[in-house]
Amino acid sequence: ETGVTQTPRHLVMGMTNKKSLKCEQHLGHNAMYWYKQSAKKPLELMFVYNFKEQTENNSVPSRFSPECPNSSHLFLHLHTLQPEDSALYLCASSQELADNTEAFFGQGTRLTVV
Amino acid sequence: AQKVTQAQTEISVVEKEDVTLDCVYETRDTTYYLFWYKQPPSGELVFLIRRNSFDEQNEISGRYSWNFQKSTSSFNFTITASQVVDSAVYFCALSGPPMDSNYQLIWGAGTKLIIKP
Repeated sequence: ETGVTQTPRHLVMGMTNKKSLKCEQHLGHNAMYWYKQSAKKPLELMFVYNFKEQTENNSVPSRFSPECPNSSHLFLHLHTLQPEDSALYLCASSQELADNTEAFFGQGTRLTVV
Repeated sequence: AQKVTQAQTEISVVEKEDVTLDCVYETRDTTYYLFWYKQPPSGELVFLIRRNSFDEQNEISGRYSWNFQKSTSSFNFTITASQVVDSAVYFCALSGPPMDSNYQLIWGAGTKLIIKP
């Protein structure tokens, strides 16, 4: 148990569906992240939030829409996804917005787009 | 440009054997940080170690040890007397100086470690 909880753990959605991934941390951290992990590829950083403000968007397609209502919660809203978007989506948090600090990860949401 | 290379895609050993996971990095920064994370089948990445570029002292934590050598730009990870529970994917990562605007972690592709009973 890392203190970062992601729901759902598994999600199958059609290309016309709209769904949301949820991440919650009870560690009192100020920074939260969304990563995409595809088979045989390095982790891809998608979005970064610091004190609820988005500070990074790594050229992520607009069909992925993040939301951070408070420092403890992070959402990833999905719509009109493509099959190549199937991957493990990991949420992480860290005390500060600097990657020289330890990041805590959730168990991820395994997304399958059909 | 920054880069992390984990050349070993998959390693399989028998329990109780020692195993070393290689990590080679590239960076132009003089201050940087290196990390190792473990990803068990449950999915979450678990932090194992962080090392800054000014500290080349090797680290030992139980059965785990890390060998940092700036001369070869390597940060290798050794598990002594491996156990089945060590089976996981292990990631090496690199970050730049603190407070650098380019603060993103650069990840290696990971090494899948299989420990057979």
